[in-house]
Amino acid sequence: GAVVSQHPSWVICKSGTSVKIECRSLDFQATTMFWYRQFPKQSLMLMATSNEGSKATYEQGVEKDKFLINHASLTLSTLTVTSAHPEDSSFYICSASKGKGINSEQYFGPGTRLTVT
Amino acid sequence: AQKITQTQPGMFVQEKEAVTLDCTYDTSDPSYGLFWYKQPSSGEMIFLIYQGSYDQQNATEGRYSLNFQKARKSANLVISASQLGDSAMYFCAMSLGEGGKLIFGQGTELSVKP
Repeated sequence: GAVVSQHPSWVICKSGTSVKIECRSLDFQATTMFWYRQFPKQSLMLMATSNEGSKATYEQGVEKDKFLINHASLTLSTLTVTSAHPEDSSFYICSASKGKGINSEQYFGPGTRLTVT
Repeated sequence: AQKITQTQPGMFVQEKEAVTLDCTYDTSDPSYGLFWYKQPSSGEMIFLIYQGSYDQQNATEGRYSLNFQKARKSANLVISASQLGDSAMYFCAMSLGEGGKLIFGQGTELSVKP
């Protein structure tokens, strides 16, 4: 199988603090990792695409200085929400892909529920 | 513009019956992939089925089949013999380009009635 983990599964933080979310591919090397955000009853919105050793590519409208992505290795990507505010409260999901191309399946992590108070 | 549209916010189906979830897409790229995912209330995304734009036959995976009509740009998911455990959100997604990033439709919430 292809297993992706996320840590933590849920986190509550105070407004103004930073939160780091880890995404790991446990049994394969991921050429690409993706970060999504999902608000309640809404679809997944791609935030950024990251490749190991290079800068992440952010989607239009996503603040790269607020959502810092580090893809340190072929099995680990991190998303740091800096100076979090209540409107950043959401479900954050990562996915990892073994290859490139349109038929490369993305394997999703279980998600991290962030609540900013 | 590249877009995925799911026009059914919610659907009900009786247990053991078949149900079709609609998905239309828009792209000018000749090469693309279409995916369906299931998202139960726990939030995990479960891959169901994949169809490539050049695939001649409709994809099938167990009780799931994809009704791919390229000229109409539709990729409807058919679930046969619905089970109570099929109750969940269902997302249609399209992959584009070498990077393989996905764009998702709005989702359809399926409820299976006993």
